[in-house]
Amino acid sequence: EAQVTQNPRYLITVTGKKLTVTCSQNMNHEYMSWYRQDPGLGLRQIYYSMNVEVTDKGDVPEGYKVSRKEKRNFPLILESPSPNQTSLYFCASSALAGGYNEQFFGPGTRLTVL
Amino acid sequence: GENVEQHPSTLSVQEGDSAVIKCTYSDSASNYFPWYKQELGKRPQLIIDIRSNVGEKKDQRIAVTLNKTAKHFSLHITETQPEDSAVYFCADSNDYKLSFGAGTTVTVRA
Repeated sequence: EAQVTQNPRYLITVTGKKLTVTCSQNMNHEYMSWYRQDPGLGLRQIYYSMNVEVTDKGDVPEGYKVSRKEKRNFPLILESPSPNQTSLYFCASSALAGGYNEQFFGPGTRLTVL
Repeated sequence: GENVEQHPSTLSVQEGDSAVIKCTYSDSASNYFPWYKQELGKRPQLIIDIRSNVGEKKDQRIAVTLNKTAKHFSLHITETQPEDSAVYFCADSNDYKLSFGAGTTVTVRA
């Protein structure tokens, strides 16, 4: 089954404790992206990757890191999480350059930073 | 894409009536305009999209119109049904970045 998976689905952590949210797709998509969703603000793009070893900042990259060592995986790293990073996070992938093609979203990761 | 403004933020319609959501964008280089639907507790899913060389696109009960001169585009849902209740997001794109509006919560009253 073609899908985007994220882990964990739920995470409660404390300020400053490094964490990684994994994202994997099995559709051989070139483009992957991370978004955060907050009430009243919609979906905001954090980082995106056009292919292996190619990443770039979205609209809200501060406090986040990403890597794209393999085509299927695109982990999101929070080196020192803060309470303002409490949010619902979605990973997405698309076949080609993300802007021109349907984004397939993962199930979401709800993160709470205390 | 850059700033995308979406209105209204909430919309309540009687079942069978039409719903219209409007978005404006500021980046004149934007050339792709998708609409996503997000049901409660679920992930966003694409419902329709339009590219800058097209003025209107229709898919059964949903349609999207684009006015590049005025930099706005709209989603039209006709004959609304209870399953249309969801949050709808517009977005615009210029090459690789995708910018979403804040969303419209649509409630269809039986």
